[in-house]
Amino acid sequence: DQQVKQNSPSLSVQEGRISILNCDYTNSMFDYFLWYKKYPAEGPTFLISISSIKDKNEDGRFTVFLNKSAKHLSLHIVPSQPGDSAVYFCAAIQGAQKLVFGQGTRLTINP
Amino acid sequence: ETGVTQTPRHLVMGMTNKKSLKCEQHLGHNAMYWYKQSAKKPLELMFVYNFKEQTENNSVPSRFSPECPNSSHLFLHLHTLQPEDSALYLCASSPWTGSNEKLFFGSGTQLSVL
Repeated sequence: DQQVKQNSPSLSVQEGRISILNCDYTNSMFDYFLWYKKYPAEGPTFLISISSIKDKNEDGRFTVFLNKSAKHLSLHIVPSQPGDSAVYFCAAIQGAQKLVFGQGTRLTINP
Repeated sequence: ETGVTQTPRHLVMGMTNKKSLKCEQHLGHNAMYWYKQSAKKPLELMFVYNFKEQTENNSVPSRFSPECPNSSHLFLHLHTLQPEDSALYLCASSPWTGSNEKLFFGSGTQLSVL
């Protein structure tokens, strides 16, 4: 059973527009959520996170929104830039237990 | 540069070969991890080491054998692999296992089993 799901394998957005990546989860006990970004031939790198006690966290062009009632997480990137083209992984954690990852969404920013 | 170095970057091996993947971290972390990433699948946790002791084996087949001689080095020994084991193998580290939200990943070893 996959506890963290990213249902869109790919997303294409025009440069300068907003990119919205979505993530759904099933475990209501998750208390911390993260987004990782992965370029080809590199390992994932941490991008932004949010605690379950918050519903929004912003860091520059990146904002993560958490809707606990819907068990839904989203990452907004605005404005989107060509360097944002990468695979984005959503991840969740409960307490000190292991991190659970989604399948990833490949974001392509078109000039 | 994340401070976690993996070698080799690419590996092609036959099903009867024995090979090893190496990971080294220069971050002073005490926890190290092996993850497997197959196409269109989530990252799967394989093994966790905390202060050189294995704390988790996520039901990984015995043809994968980890080794952690010290907190800075982690190996994954491979033998009699199957073609379905072809994947990207990622090493990661964190300050300790309870801080695994602060994972630092290496660039991975892209493994192809023929």
